[in-house]
Amino acid sequence: DSGVTQTPKHLITATGQRVTLRCSPRSGDLSVYWYQQSLDQGLQFLIHYYNGEERAKGNILERFSAQQFPDLHSELNLSSLELGDSALYFCASSAHRDKTNYGYTFGSGTRLTVV
Amino acid sequence: AQSVTQLDSQVPVFEEAPVELRCNYSSSVSVYLFWYVQYPNQGLQLLLKYLSGSTLVKGINGFEAEFNKSQTSFHLRKPSVHISDTAEYFCAVSYGTSYGKLTFGQGTILTVHP
Repeated sequence: DSGVTQTPKHLITATGQRVTLRCSPRSGDLSVYWYQQSLDQGLQFLIHYYNGEERAKGNILERFSAQQFPDLHSELNLSSLELGDSALYFCASSAHRDKTNYGYTFGSGTRLTVV
Repeated sequence: AQSVTQLDSQVPVFEEAPVELRCNYSSSVSVYLFWYVQYPNQGLQLLLKYLSGSTLVKGINGFEAEFNKSQTSFHLRKPSVHISDTAEYFCAVSYGTSYGKLTFGQGTILTVHP
């Protein structure tokens, strides 16, 4: 157990629907990162939050949004889902705002299947 | 653009043989370098990292990597692999202008055969 908890582990939904993925960071970590892992794109950075504030955005679609709550858990919202959104979505956490000296701690991911 | 290239998508090897997984990154003044391992149906686990200092970095499970600034490479090595090393390995870079974000390579699937 890495200490980063992601729920649900698996999600199957239909095109056009909306889903919410949840991440609880490791105790004491203030930064949460979201990554998408797909066969064709590999691991792509989506977004980074630090202590409730958005720090950086990557290749995140406009149909996707995220937030980090006062208790530091984060949610990734995916709407108007398309078949191509099927992927493994990882959350990672770290203690720092910007530095990656210690690397991240990854959760085990949420596998999203859009049918 | 910042990029990380893992030169081999798949590496098959026999048990107890040595292995090298290659990683090159786009040049930058300041980088942090990482190797992660992903076992089936699991998240990514940090194997080792290079921040500064000695260019030879030792990690968990007997892996080591060498930072070569002139060749912008960070190859991962293990002198003798085990069946349990079968997994996907990712090289990742944190660039000085975007600390916090990790840029990952496409991954190398290491398959260890008995």
